[in-house]
Formats: sequence, C-alpha cells, structure tokens
Amino acid sequence: GIQVEQSPPDLILQEGANSTLRCNFSDSVNNLQWFHQNPWGQLINLFYIPSGTKQNGRLSATTVATERYSLLYISSSQTTDSGVYFCAVEPLGGGSEKLVFGKGTKLTVNP
Amino acid sequence: EAGVAQSPRYKIIEKRQSVAFWCNPISGHATLYWYQQILGQGPKLLIQFQNNGVVDDSQLPKDRFSAERLKGVDSTLKIQPAKLEDSAVYLCASSLSPLTSAIYTQYFGPGTRLTVL
Repeated sequence: GIQVEQSPPDLILQEGANSTLRCNFSDSVNNLQWFHQNPWGQLINLFYIPSGTKQNGRLSATTVATERYSLLYISSSQTTDSGVYFCAVEPLGGGSEKLVFGKGTKLTVNP
Repeated sequence: EAGVAQSPRYKIIEKRQSVAFWCNPISGHATLYWYQQILGQGPKLLIQFQNNGVVDDSQLPKDRFSAERLKGVDSTLKIQPAKLEDSAVYLCASSLSPLTSAIYTQYFGPGTRLTVL
C-alpha cells in the first residue's frame, strides 16, 4: 500500500519562530489533508490540498502532486500551535475514500 | 454547524468484556468512517459507510469488531470480546459523498478513549 512519511518526527520551537513540515507519499493520490491534533486529542482540519497552494492566516500549505510531497508552513508560531501535525492521503484508485495517515510531526512551541 | 458527535468520551473495561461506541455525523454527510488510533501512531481506517452501505471494511477485525449504520445517519461500533491490544482512541469522521461532491473533506469527532485492562 501507499507509504506516507512525515519529517521531522519532533520539532521544538521558540514562540515567534517559523517552521516547515514535510510529507512525502509513495504513490499518486486523490486527496491530501493536513490535520492538527491538539493535546486533548481532537483532530482539526487545516487544509484539503491535493495540489497547489493554500493559505489560512499564519498557516500555508503546498502540494506538488507530480513530485509526491506536501509542505506545511507555520509562521510566527504560538504556544497554541503545539500538538501533532498529521498528513493524510487518499490513494488514487484505492476503491474507497479512506485516508492513510503518516506518523505525524510532534511540535512543541515554548514561550 | 454542529460537528461530529461521539460518546462516550472515555471507557475502561476488562479484557473479554464487550463495549459499544456511538457516532452522529455532521448533518447531510452521507459518508461515515471509523478509525482506530493507537498511542503514538496516526489513525487507521476500520470501516467506511456510504449512507447505510459498507464501502471498505478490509481492516476491520471481523472476528471481534462489528459496526452498523442502519438508517444512514448514526453509527455504532462494537467490540466483543475486547483484547488488551484494542486499547486505543476510536475516532469517527464524516464527509460529503465523493459521488456528489468534488471536495469531500473528512471532519473528525473528539474520539472515544478505550482502555482495556
């Protein structure tokens, strides 16, 4: 099946710093979503981005489908950005719309 | 707009007991998913429903897990009998149908944290 690799696995930042999270996937996809899982376990949608670039406030994401990777940018990080960031993909031709998740990047933002 | 609702939020049982989880999707979402998230890992799909029909249950351990969505809205996931390795968070998600919408973002509920002792 499709492999989803996220890097780095862990990231520690000072408040106000910028960061880039990467997601590589091994095959073509129909759909790609970025999620933030907060310390209480809630998965929050950040982006639905099978291709192209989107921005939402301090967050932006770019997916280059032909090269099978996606990037999540966090600018001017805040302590509330802490948590685990997941990339999830829907494999092309998989027969269902299931999302295959990476292992996540654990982000800690210190004050 | 109300989000995906799940209950209970926490459940502790002993091995070999049975347990059931409930999910109410976002209104109008025809597609419903159950995922299992083991500590330190990303969620893994257990079963996907389109209305009240099963689309994908290839990763559901059918000897002990069952799920239903009888009226195409609410869903229940049951484990009987539970094993120690079933300790995880069970997440329900819903989306618009990909048959009718080009964008079918999955929205997740808060999850049920199951501990099997």
